Amino acid sequence: GNSVTQMEGPVTLSEEAFLTINCTYTATGYPSLFWYVQYPGEGLQLLLKATKADDKGSNKGFEATYRKETTSFHLEKGSVQVSDSAVYFCALSSFGNEKLTFGTGTRLTIIP
Amino acid sequence: EADIYQTPRYLVIGTGKKITLECSQTMGHDKMYWYQQDPGMELHLIHYSYGVNSTEKGDLSSESTVSRIRTEHFPLTLESARPSHTSQYLCASSGGLRVDEQYFGPGTRLTVT
Repeated sequence: GNSVTQMEGPVTLSEEAFLTINCTYTATGYPSLFWYVQYPGEGLQLLLKATKADDKGSNKGFEATYRKETTSFHLEKGSVQVSDSAVYFCALSSFGNEKLTFGTGTRLTIIP
Repeated sequence: EADIYQTPRYLVIGTGKKITLECSQTMGHDKMYWYQQDPGMELHLIHYSYGVNSTEKGDLSSESTVSRIRTEHFPLTLESARPSHTSQYLCASSGGLRVDEQYFGPGTRLTVT
């Protein structure tokens, strides 16, 4: 079956630091990969996605590359801001099955 | 911008009460989902629907029930609330050209005393 393993948190960084949140997956076939973000008191929002190997998803300065050879989809940002403080979820869906498989979430706190 | 709504946002209720959590979307999406989010943040799919009159149980067993009489509406009901039902409940939908992207509502935080 499908599974997503995500870097455990919480992660605390200073403003303008470089961010990496690791995500690896197990899936049959060729899944689509996603990063969702959940700000305090809100539901999840799609941050970025990639649908095939070597695709790079990007949004709001965040990016992640679909690496089939390492089954990874690590989230990166070059310079984080206080407003990036949130919980980040890695997820996947398989072709023909729109149910998402989520990682356990990583809480990110950015301090000024 | 996604248009998916959940009411109430917060609910505190006593044990044994019947409750219904509302979820509506205006995007015409066929697929809708309910997730339970525990305090450790992990998301568990408890119900989903692929269209009107279609409902399925998710990966996590739940005492709640759902119905899908209209495309836009996917309410979740607990016949007799218990403290173990205390959690955050998130509704989501997907469909259209971006069928693999789910759009989430703001959630209902339920506390059963």
